[in-house]
Amino acid sequence: DVKVTQSSRYLVKRTGEKVFLECVQDMDHENMFWYRQDPGLGLRLIYFSYDVKMKEKGDIPEGYSVSREKKERFSLILESASTNQTSMYLCASSFLTEGREPFFGQGTRLTVV
Amino acid sequence: KQEVTQIPAALSVPEGENLVLNCSFTDSAIYNLQWFRQDPGKGLTSLLLIQSSQREQTSGRLNASLDKSSGRSTLYIAASQPGDSATYLCALMDSSYKLIFGSGTRLLVRP
Repeated sequence: DVKVTQSSRYLVKRTGEKVFLECVQDMDHENMFWYRQDPGLGLRLIYFSYDVKMKEKGDIPEGYSVSREKKERFSLILESASTNQTSMYLCASSFLTEGREPFFGQGTRLTVV
Repeated sequence: KQEVTQIPAALSVPEGENLVLNCSFTDSAIYNLQWFRQDPGKGLTSLLLIQSSQREQTSGRLNASLDKSSGRSTLYIAASQPGDSATYLCALMDSSYKLIFGSGTRLLVRP
């Protein structure tokens, strides 16, 4: 079974803190993605990576950075958390091949207070 | 820039009805299109994946079609049940391997 694991299911952080969200996949996928999901806005792509040390900005990268030092791990970093970053964060991974299905983690519900 | 739109945003139907959810996209250069279901507060459950070379996929009471030339996909749900109530999301993989989502259709099936 493909598994995409996000390190935390629920997280509460204070404004200004540096926050790390971790995602690990065990299927040797090249592609990894970070999304945030907010009511009425659907899933918006923050960053994605198609290889180790490679990263591409998605639609809403401001306030975020990412790290991909190993193929199986893709980290999302909130440099200085703000209340408007309170959201559900979803990680996904897929092969870099036409037609291959992406797989999702269960999500991290982040609350910034 | 690829944009994915889902209509309607919300739908309420009585149990037993057949229904169609729509997904449209602006750029036909896609690798695949996928339909997901999401229950409140939960992650995504994959329903059907249509490769770019395919026209439709079926699973049980669900049938998804893809027409790349017109930039449309539909998810058909036959004989709807209250347990089908959820948000349905379509997502496509574009030519740069980015996965792009629509904003979803919230479905309520009334007993």
